[in-house]
Amino acid sequence: QSVLTQPPSVSGAPGQRVTISCTGSSSNIGARYDVHWYQQLPGTAPKLLIYGNSKRPSGVPDRFSGSKSATSASLAITGLQAEDEAEYYCQSYDSSLSGWVFGGGTKLTVL
Amino acid sequence: EVQLVQSGVEVKKPGESLKISCKGSGYSFTSYWIAWVRQMPGKGLEWMGIIYPGDSDTRYSPSFQGQVTFSADRSISTAYLQWNSLKASDTAMYYCARLLTSRNDYGDYWGQGTLVTVSS
Repeated sequence: QSVLTQPPSVSGAPGQRVTISCTGSSSNIGARYDVHWYQQLPGTAPKLLIYGNSKRPSGVPDRFSGSKSATSASLAITGLQAEDEAEYYCQSYDSSLSGWVFGGGTKLTVL
Repeated sequence: EVQLVQSGVEVKKPGESLKISCKGSGYSFTSYWIAWVRQMPGKGLEWMGIIYPGDSDTRYSPSFQGQVTFSADRSISTAYLQWNSLKASDTAMYYCARLLTSRNDYGDYWGQGTLVTVSS
């Protein structure tokens, strides 16, 4: 049972927009800790996609965007491409655990 | 170029000990924390804890406290994850990641992962 809750799967056709939610609680996202997102392509290490709720590292397309409010956050992907098919994880800091917490991961399928 | 390079695949028997490594390059190794993250087969990411190579300050997740040991050798820019007695349930991919602070932070660079298989 992950501390942060994500939908197990989402899907969309090429060119469409999808969103992935990440719900936390008052000891992590609700405590104003930042949310970060990682993309894990099959058989590879996680890659930082969004940090500080909505910032993109250099090289990440602007098709990817993040937002946060209250005790939840969202990752939006527009102009869906076949190469976006991957597992996506949200991550934050939890004051009760005194460490990172992850969502359970969301598998994105591009139809 | 920042890189974290992890040691190779390990196949061990239950009860054996193991130490895997994560070598940093392209940055000041002693100025960043290193996090260890477990990913069991077909499962999600789990935070194991962090170590600051600058002074070897460590923080363990309650789930892993007493089960593993973090260490670092500043002279060769390498962090380690160690088990004294492996169990079959330790079978997983283990990743290291770099982070700037110990609290509200993220892994900006990740190692390629070390696959550990524990089987009799």
